[in-house]
Amino acid sequence: GAVVSQHPSWVICKSGTSVKIECRSLDFQATTMFWYRQFPKQSLMLMATSNEGSKATYEQGVEKDKFLINHASLTLSTLTVTSAHPEDSSFYICSALYRQHTEAFFGQGTRLTVV
Amino acid sequence: KQEVTQIPAALSVPEGENLVLNCSFTDSAIYNLQWFRQDPGKGLTSLLLIQSSQREQTSGRLNASLDKSSGRSTLYIAASQPGDSATYLCAVGDTNAGKSTFGDGTTLTVKP
Repeated sequence: GAVVSQHPSWVICKSGTSVKIECRSLDFQATTMFWYRQFPKQSLMLMATSNEGSKATYEQGVEKDKFLINHASLTLSTLTVTSAHPEDSSFYICSALYRQHTEAFFGQGTRLTVV
Repeated sequence: KQEVTQIPAALSVPEGENLVLNCSFTDSAIYNLQWFRQDPGKGLTSLLLIQSSQREQTSGRLNASLDKSSGRSTLYIAASQPGDSATYLCAVGDTNAGKSTFGDGTTLTVKP
């Protein structure tokens, strides 16, 4: 099956700093990638849909200025958490859509801890 | 809007038991359904993926079934082992759009 690589797998950062998470499709081109977030003891919730070459579409309640998404190529999407605060500590996971009418493949996820 | 429910929220069984985890969804117009395993503090591990046209998938001691018309899927784990202890997530894939809706998960504990 197709492989999606997410990096880093875990990161600890200081409050007020920014952190970037990468999502790469290793053996296919992904026109669309999705970013999800999981707070402790809660389910994974869709944050935004990232389309190559265009602006991301954010779900209701997700701050687009705080969670910057860039999908500059067909194999890479990045999520930057700007001015991170402890409440941003969460598990973030991406998925990449091979093409329409096929399945989306998930990365392993990134655990972010803001101290 | 798709809603996914997993029952039970937690399950504790003795080693060796066969068990069933349940997942229900409200909109039957799905593209696929995927079962994941998540260990504490870790990422997701894909267990089984069922396309909307399929009825079931099997991998080792795991069997997942899908009944689209009734909006249900089950994950059957045979001869459970302590190493099976984890949270199991059900994710329903949206038709044509690629995004998924996750259930809250079932936390399984298998006691030696």
